Amino acid sequence: QLLESGGGLVQSGGSLRLSCAASGFSFSNYAMSWVRQAPGKGLEWVSFISGSGSDTYYADSVKGRFTISRDNSKNTLYLQMNSLRAEDTAVYYCAKDGGEGRGAFDIWGQGTMVTVSS
Amino acid sequence: DIQMTQSPSTLSASVGDRVTITCRASQSIRSWLAWYQQKPGKAPKLLIYKASSLESGVPSRFSGSGSGTEFTLTISSLQPDDFVTYYCQQYNGYPYTFGQGTKLEIK
Repeated sequence: QLLESGGGLVQSGGSLRLSCAASGFSFSNYAMSWVRQAPGKGLEWVSFISGSGSDTYYADSVKGRFTISRDNSKNTLYLQMNSLRAEDTAVYYCAKDGGEGRGAFDIWGQGTMVTVSS
Repeated sequence: DIQMTQSPSTLSASVGDRVTITCRASQSIRSWLAWYQQKPGKAPKLLIYKASSLESGVPSRFSGSGSGTEFTLTISSLQPDDFVTYYCQQYNGYPYTFGQGTKLEIK
């Protein structure tokens, strides 16, 4: 199970940190991602982090502004979001990678809403 | 970046119909393709991974096929609960990308 928190209303240029608490699986063994969905729009992958945390990747739209990290001792994934823009307004989901040989996102959180006001 | 093009964007069908949704990749993604179902206000749910492998617990009326650049999701006999939105996603390389979605509507 994945449970996101930390969303809310923030002004343009502000910062937020999202958290995703994991349970029911061996967290450190799996890569994780953040995926977002703007109101009424499709899904957009945001960022990836490997199980150890050593490898990270970002969508161009957030590179240099967002930072993904994880604390395997706390079974928690994070997304630090800085220099927020109106176009970052979305529901943010954390998602678990299906693992070696299968991939895909097999477990999703319920989502947390981020609203950036201009 | 790999572009994923889903068609159709909207599909009208009836309960019991067989329907197919297509997803095309702008370059080969081998079999690294997933299909998700999303109900309004809910997180996406994985249906198919590696193009044709059915996720555990997903009804067998859902099936996927394809490799390289062309993929399909088939629902063999539509049930009332299936009239929602479907997305394909490639995970062959970063950035991962999704199709724009297909909304399945009741005819």
